[in-house]
Amino acid sequence: TQLLEQSPQFLSIQEGENLTVYCNSSSVFSSLQWYRQEPGEGPVLLVTVVTGGEVKKLKRLTFQFGDARKDSSLHITAAQPGDTGLYLCAPRESGGSNYKLTFGKGTLLTVNP
Amino acid sequence: NAGVTQTPKFQVLKTGQSMTLQCAQDMNHNSMYWYRQDPGMGLRLIYYSASEGTTDKGEVPNGYNVSRLNKREFSLRLESAAPSQTSVYFCASSPTKNTGELFFGEGSRLTVL
Repeated sequence: TQLLEQSPQFLSIQEGENLTVYCNSSSVFSSLQWYRQEPGEGPVLLVTVVTGGEVKKLKRLTFQFGDARKDSSLHITAAQPGDTGLYLCAPRESGGSNYKLTFGKGTLLTVNP
Repeated sequence: NAGVTQTPKFQVLKTGQSMTLQCAQDMNHNSMYWYRQDPGMGLRLIYYSASEGTTDKGEVPNGYNVSRLNKREFSLRLESAAPSQTSVYFCASSPTKNTGELFFGEGSRLTVL
């Protein structure tokens, strides 16, 4: 069973600031997904990263997959109140049964206007 | 576009009562999942169905049963509800069992008194 950590658990910032959240594990991942969940709704997929060292950009969001595929980061530039939500990472382990997508506990981001 | 539909959205039960959470998806997805979300615990997988006709236990299956009624529908049953089952329950579906994006419903908030 992988040990999956997301940090920080909570983050409150002002509009316009930059931030980075992290997803770390002791296991090697075959791929990793990032989801955002807004209050009262289910999570929605932001991105899937597959290759070690991969960087993907989604407007002001930059996702990076670690070279060893054990960790990932999400960087937000010039955060806006609309970025407020719970950010969840969800890796799939290499080998074995990868039907089951495991989620981290998430980073709860609040962007204040 | 309905996507994943869960019913009911809210439910209050007394300890020992039974109930079934219903989930239906209209995207012709093969795989379906039930998660529960608790504060500080993230999303935890209860049961999943990799394809029609199959179901398997996830991380926290005790106290629950599931039925994959057909390709569209995947229900979660609590036979004898306990206060520890107070949670928000999310159903999700995925086009494939290995790498696909998960599409979530809006959640069902269950309180067991």
